[in-house]
Amino acid sequence: EDKVVQSPLSLVVHEGDTVTLNCSYEVTNFRSLLWYKQEKKAPTFLFMLTSSGIEKKSGRLSSILDKKELFSILNITATQTGDSAIYLCVGGSQGNLIFGKGTKLSVKP
Amino acid sequence: NAGVTQTPKFRILKIGQSMTLQCTQDMNHNYMYWYRQDPGMGLKLIYYSVGAGITDKGEVPNGYNVSRSTTEDFPLRLELAAPSQTSVYFCASSLRTGVNTGELFFGEGSRLTVL
Repeated sequence: EDKVVQSPLSLVVHEGDTVTLNCSYEVTNFRSLLWYKQEKKAPTFLFMLTSSGIEKKSGRLSSILDKKELFSILNITATQTGDSAIYLCVGGSQGNLIFGKGTKLSVKP
Repeated sequence: NAGVTQTPKFRILKIGQSMTLQCTQDMNHNYMYWYRQDPGMGLKLIYYSVGAGITDKGEVPNGYNVSRSTTEDFPLRLELAAPSQTSVYFCASSLRTGVNTGELFFGEGSRLTVL
């Protein structure tokens, strides 16, 4: 059965800290790995990764995929209180998306 | 732009009642999806549609029905509500498949409680 496992499930840090969120996947006919940020309402898209070893960056957020180890990480540097959210990792195969349970990040002032 | 709009935002149902969650998008997206999110769990796909007149089951379709008569609208029907259907429901759309574009656009969610 396809699955996406995220760790840790929750994390509390202080502003300015750097955090790394982990995602491992087992997805049949894997095509891509996606990251979403979910605050109080709908998830919003962050990154899509399809190739190993190529880092994607957006401001203080970056992500990389390792297709050999079936693993991805999401890094957030210099965290801010506005980064507090649930971060969802999603494995994509042909016509299907498998969501992880998410990592709940809380950033304290 | 309105994006993906879901209604209602909140609803309480009694066991055995029926209801329809409405979803409409104004981005001319071909693909639309319904997900449910249970507490502490990831999103699970209920039904999806690749275009008007075409729908298909996702991972957890039992107890639900959908229709796609227009590109814009993708309502989700619960015929006989059960407590197990208590969840937050998200409608989403994408221009192509979620795998190819990466970007699903989500509605704000509908919190349904069945008592």
